[in-house]
Amino acid sequence: DGGITQSPKYLFRKEGQNVTLSCEQNLNHDAMYWYRQDPGQGLRLIYYSQIVNDFQKGDIAEGYSVSREKKESFPLTVTSAQKNPTAFYLCASSIPDHLGPLHFGNGTRLTVT
Amino acid sequence: KNEVEQSPQNLTAQEGEFITINCSYSVGISALHWLQQHPGGGIVSLFMLSSGKKKHGRLIATINIQEKHSSLHITASHPRDSAVYICAVRSPGFRETSGSRLTFGEGTQLTVNP
Repeated sequence: DGGITQSPKYLFRKEGQNVTLSCEQNLNHDAMYWYRQDPGQGLRLIYYSQIVNDFQKGDIAEGYSVSREKKESFPLTVTSAQKNPTAFYLCASSIPDHLGPLHFGNGTRLTVT
Repeated sequence: KNEVEQSPQNLTAQEGEFITINCSYSVGISALHWLQQHPGGGIVSLFMLSSGKKKHGRLIATINIQEKHSSLHITASHPRDSAVYICAVRSPGFRETSGSRLTFGEGTQLTVNP
């Protein structure tokens, strides 16, 4: 079955360390997205990519970086510059320009202490 | 004011009850999504609609573009329907090259008791 795999499910890091969250999809989707979810707020877009080797900043890109070297993979790095990194991170994919339904991974809960 | 407002924020129902969750938005949109987030965090797409009504099993989604309002109905609710239901609207991007964007509501926490 096609889907999106995020790993790990839980991640703990010390403040000042960079950490990379994995996102892999086998849905053959061109577009991939990273969202952050905090209690009491809607999902917020961190970065998105409409095609391999290209990506764009979303609404809250500061302190994050991404790469899109392969169609299937869109890893997110949370850098030490991110002031409040503890959150639930969700990866999603779709056909370009949100013209179809979004498919989500199960998320990674990152705790930075 | 948020661009997408959902009501109620929390909803508790007894098994078998008819449930309605509302979504109002303030921007021009081309489509609206209803999503379901399970307690473990995973999100499933329920509906994507741009007009009228869609039905899947016990779930019905309606949208009124003129009134900028959508509803998600669950008939004969069941404890397994307990989840957070999220509305998201597709609107033009704010940058020339960004295409469309999705704006998400904060979600409605539904609890269905046996």
